[in-house]
Amino acid sequence: EVQLVESGGGLVQPGGSLRVSCAASGFTFRSYTMNWVRQAPGKGLEWVSYIGSTGTIKYYADSVKGRFSISRDNAKNSLYLQMNSLRDEDTAVYYCTRVAYGDYHNDYWGQGALVTVSS
Amino acid sequence: DIQMTQSPSSLSASVGDRVTITCRASQSISSWLAWYQQKPGKAPKLLIFRSSTLESGVPSRFSGSGSGTEFTLTISSLQPDDFATYYCQQYDGYSRTFGQGTKVDIK
Repeated sequence: EVQLVESGGGLVQPGGSLRVSCAASGFTFRSYTMNWVRQAPGKGLEWVSYIGSTGTIKYYADSVKGRFSISRDNAKNSLYLQMNSLRDEDTAVYYCTRVAYGDYHNDYWGQGALVTVSS
Repeated sequence: DIQMTQSPSSLSASVGDRVTITCRASQSISSWLAWYQQKPGKAPKLLIFRSSTLESGVPSRFSGSGSGTEFTLTISSLQPDDFATYYCQQYDGYSRTFGQGTKVDIK
């Protein structure tokens, strides 16, 4: 069974940093591209970042470019999102998603990690 | 960046109704569009990908169509389990933009 479990969410002050992680199981993690998607409270979904299967190719939404960094450790079956210079508007549930093999849509989602940016 | 515009933003419908949600892209995305369903407090669930391909296990009352810039999600006969928010997402190019969502509630 495919499982994606996020961790590392919490409360952080504006300007601070936080790293959220996603532990993957039930599939060959190193073969899949992955995304981070977020959802602010009461709002819609926003794609944040994409990483290729080897970690070489990375894309970011304009709203986080230069502040967030996506990475992965295929030996540990883990995906990461390092968030720096956090702003109030980064408050959201952060979902880790798997991209379908050979395609581009998100076929599995984690349960999400809540990140709250507030003083 | 490609922008996605969903309509309507919300609708009220009854069990058994036929429901149609539209998603428009700011430029052509061929058939690179997916639809997701989200219930309160839960992660989104994939319904349809490549505009019209039904994900395994999704009821056949859901269908998708369209190409280029205009796409449609149709629920042929709304069931109690279908009251939720629906999102389209494009995946043409390096970005993966979502529509703003359509909330379907009970009339």
